[in-house]
Amino acid sequence: EAGVTQSPTHLIKTRGQQATLRCSPISGHTSVYWYQQALGLGLQFLLWYDEGEERNRGNFPPRFSGRQFPNYSSELNVNALELEDSALYLCASRSTGQGNQPQHFGDGTRLSIL
Amino acid sequence: RKEVEQDPGPFNVPEGATVAFNCTYSNSASQSFFWYRQDCRKEPKLLMSVYSSGNEDGRFTAQLNRASQYISLLIRDSKLSDSATYLCVVNRGNSGGYQKVTFGTGTKLQVIP
Repeated sequence: EAGVTQSPTHLIKTRGQQATLRCSPISGHTSVYWYQQALGLGLQFLLWYDEGEERNRGNFPPRFSGRQFPNYSSELNVNALELEDSALYLCASRSTGQGNQPQHFGDGTRLSIL
Repeated sequence: RKEVEQDPGPFNVPEGATVAFNCTYSNSASQSFFWYRQDCRKEPKLLMSVYSSGNEDGRFTAQLNRASQYISLLIRDSKLSDSATYLCVVNRGNSGGYQKVTFGTGTKLQVIP
């Protein structure tokens, strides 16, 4: 079974540009979560999508946005990039079947802002 | 108070030692619990779920104490390869299907030769 896949692996942008990160969940998983992890820091929750809808959002400005497609894949968009947006962006998917299921993570996209 | 709290460490232990981490949670409605392992600059990987009765997977034992609202992870016979950051995760849901997943900030373990 394929795991969570994220693309691109690395992304280099300059201040003010826009970045799009992509995530494909594990087959059968309908929930997708996005996290930001700056170097040496913990996971910061960004967004949660389930069944195509945004279910919850972390404490990030509106220039962080995303969407979930009918096939449950997801995009994270970051507008007006700032230097402090440099981080590892992790996507996780989760089954919302019976019981509480764990999240499974992709390898992440490393975003560097120059 | 944070919803999930962990001692950041680092815990420096010699090979072969037994080490234990705790993770406290503030919401008594929390329903499910997990331990993840994260290596430096890598994604978190699920280590084990935590069941009410406690559970073991090889050298790893996880326990839940609902009365005191904490979970624990015990690692026996530590290996160099156990060096990583260990994250606890707490899920809370309701009948409406809303699920909140909260990660702790992690406890760093360094196993020393």
